[in-house]
Amino acid sequence: DIQMTQSPSMLSASVGDRVTITCRASQTISVWLAWFQQKPGKAPQLLIYKASILENGVPSRFSGSGSGTEFTLTIDSLQPDDFATYYCQQYHSNSRTFGQGTKVEIK
Amino acid sequence: EVQLVESGGGLTQPGGSLRLSCSASGFTFSTYSMNWVRQAPGKGLEWISYISPSGSSIYYADSVKGRFTILRDNAKNSLYLQMNSLRDDDTAVYYCARDQAFATLNHWGQGTLVTVSS
Repeated sequence: DIQMTQSPSMLSASVGDRVTITCRASQTISVWLAWFQQKPGKAPQLLIYKASILENGVPSRFSGSGSGTEFTLTIDSLQPDDFATYYCQQYHSNSRTFGQGTKVEIK
Repeated sequence: EVQLVESGGGLTQPGGSLRLSCSASGFTFSTYSMNWVRQAPGKGLEWISYISPSGSSIYYADSVKGRFTILRDNAKNSLYLQMNSLRDDDTAVYYCARDQAFATLNHWGQGTLVTVSS
């Protein structure tokens, strides 16, 4: 199976900060990478798919980049609603795998 | 509006069985691939199974292969997960989620809790 490694596992940031989360795949996945946001007690929400395409309705302060094995999720000007846990997921292989998650906390 | 509603969760003993259901509405169910994803308490997300629109292609995570079976009934707009030989570490919230062209898991249900404990 393809292993997905996110970093950092947790970060503390302030409202207005620019935040970057990295996801690394154990083998190339082209651009078949998605990012999800999850808040406590809620189902995850798709933010970005195919590495850089913003899902409908997702604020433009979210952006994704990368291809191959290295990917990033960037949140420009962090808002109070953005404090949550973020997951990457590869869907290049038939056995899809998630990263372990990155919790974004209020500094 | 796309809606996915899971049901069938509950408490069962190790070695037992459960069948989860996911009722879909607001879209043409038979044209979308579907998935099950789970989340153990306090842990991350784990994709566990995929089924193609017709049901002809099915994939499982190694952790559930041979124990879980994904099925769909397009006439009933329903997705199922038959879970056998349940273990303590199968305890989790189970979500059904729909794919979209070139995307993955862009609509999720609210989840149903499965607890495996003696």
